[in-house]
Amino acid sequence: DGGITQSPKYLFRKEGQNVTLSCEQNLNHDAMYWYRQDPGQGLRLIYYSQIVNDFQKGDIAEGYSVSREKKESFPLTVTSAQKNPTAFYLCASSIVSGQSNYGYTFGSGTRLTVV
Amino acid sequence: SQKIEQNSEALNIQEGKTATLTCNYTNYSPAYLQWYRQDPGRGPVFLLLIRENEKEKRKERLKVTFDTTLKQSLFHITASQPADSATYLCALDDPSNYGGSQGNLIFGKGTKLSVKP
Repeated sequence: DGGITQSPKYLFRKEGQNVTLSCEQNLNHDAMYWYRQDPGQGLRLIYYSQIVNDFQKGDIAEGYSVSREKKESFPLTVTSAQKNPTAFYLCASSIVSGQSNYGYTFGSGTRLTVV
Repeated sequence: SQKIEQNSEALNIQEGKTATLTCNYTNYSPAYLQWYRQDPGRGPVFLLLIRENEKEKRKERLKVTFDTTLKQSLFHITASQPADSATYLCALDDPSNYGGSQGNLIFGKGTKLSVKP
């Protein structure tokens, strides 16, 4: 089955720790995205990548880092510089085409909690 | 400033009725608008995409309209069922912000729909 897999489902981080969230897709999509979702807020874009070895900052990139070494993988690192990291993190992928009739495919999310 | 608003945080309707959800935007010129369904603790699932030159699109019991003059999209679920209960998100592209043929999606906060039996 084609899809996008996020792991782990739940993650606990101590103060001052870096943690990495995994995102893997087998849909052969060129573009991948990371969003953050907080209660009562819309999804906010952290980083996105439209091609391997290239990525761009979204609206709230501070305190986060990404890499795109393979088309299938787009891991997100939440660094100690991110002051309020507790949130629901969503990874998505899509075809990069202005003629696409398909939206984004999202993973099931990772819930990160600072302890 | 740019805004995308889904007018109701929550909408409660009776089974069998038509649910109508609203998405309004200001200071964007989207080429298309999308609707997603999100269940608690899960990622959003894509439902429909409508382009700026399309007035209406249908898929089974779902209907979406897009009025670029009013800067509004309406999302209808006919003959609603309790299984339709979820949060529905609208999203639009913003090519002016990120460039490229497909701009990145900007999401509304969602409307939580509850369908009572």
